[in-house]
Amino acid sequence: DIVLTQSPDSLAVSLGERATINCKSSQSVLYSSNNKNYLAWYQQKPGQPPKLLIYLASTRESGVPDRFSGSGSGTDFTLAISGLQAEDVAVYYCQQYYNTPFTFGPGTKVDIK
Amino acid sequence: EVQLVESGGGLVKPGGPLRLSCAPSGLSFNDYSMSWVRQAPGRGLEWVSSISSSSSYIYYADSVKGRFTISRDNAKNSLYLQMNSLRAEDTAVYYCARHRYCSTALCYTAFDIWGQGTMVTVSS
Repeated sequence: DIVLTQSPDSLAVSLGERATINCKSSQSVLYSSNNKNYLAWYQQKPGQPPKLLIYLASTRESGVPDRFSGSGSGTDFTLAISGLQAEDVAVYYCQQYYNTPFTFGPGTKVDIK
Repeated sequence: EVQLVESGGGLVKPGGPLRLSCAPSGLSFNDYSMSWVRQAPGRGLEWVSSISSSSSYIYYADSVKGRFTISRDNAKNSLYLQMNSLRAEDTAVYYCARHRYCSTALCYTAFDIWGQGTMVTVSS
């Protein structure tokens, strides 16, 4: 199974500042035939289901604000939130869909400082 | 409104069965792979099972293999999760989720639409 680790476990950022979350995979999720990374990022607010933010490591889902960006390849990935807003307080999960089981990272909680 | 609606959750005794359902509203279902994902209270997300659009490909997490069965009825626009031999550790909110569209059998794609979830509690 592919194991995803996230760092940090939690972080507090001032409004308008940048938040950065890292996700490391135990094996590459880069599909060589199309050169795409099978990694997604989700946002989950309390009492709500997860919401897809980023797929293929760096493609923003329709309707997601452009302050959210994803980067990385192979085994190391980053989700950045530039200009943190109050509504961005949530837990963020990375997920690999390179193969089954489709595993998730443990989550990173983002709060306002 | 575009949404997935889960139902069937509740309180069940250890060893008992429960069947969850998921129905789409305002969105296409038949051409999409679907999954069930669960979240124990205060914990992270755990993938449970996936099924391709035509039911040709089905996969399970090791933690539920042999106890849970995923199925779908495209004529009824419904996804199901039959859960047998339930254990206390199966207690969780169960979400159904749609995979982003692809042209292959089982979509190895991100989950773009999620239901609100249905709570399953396994306790005596």
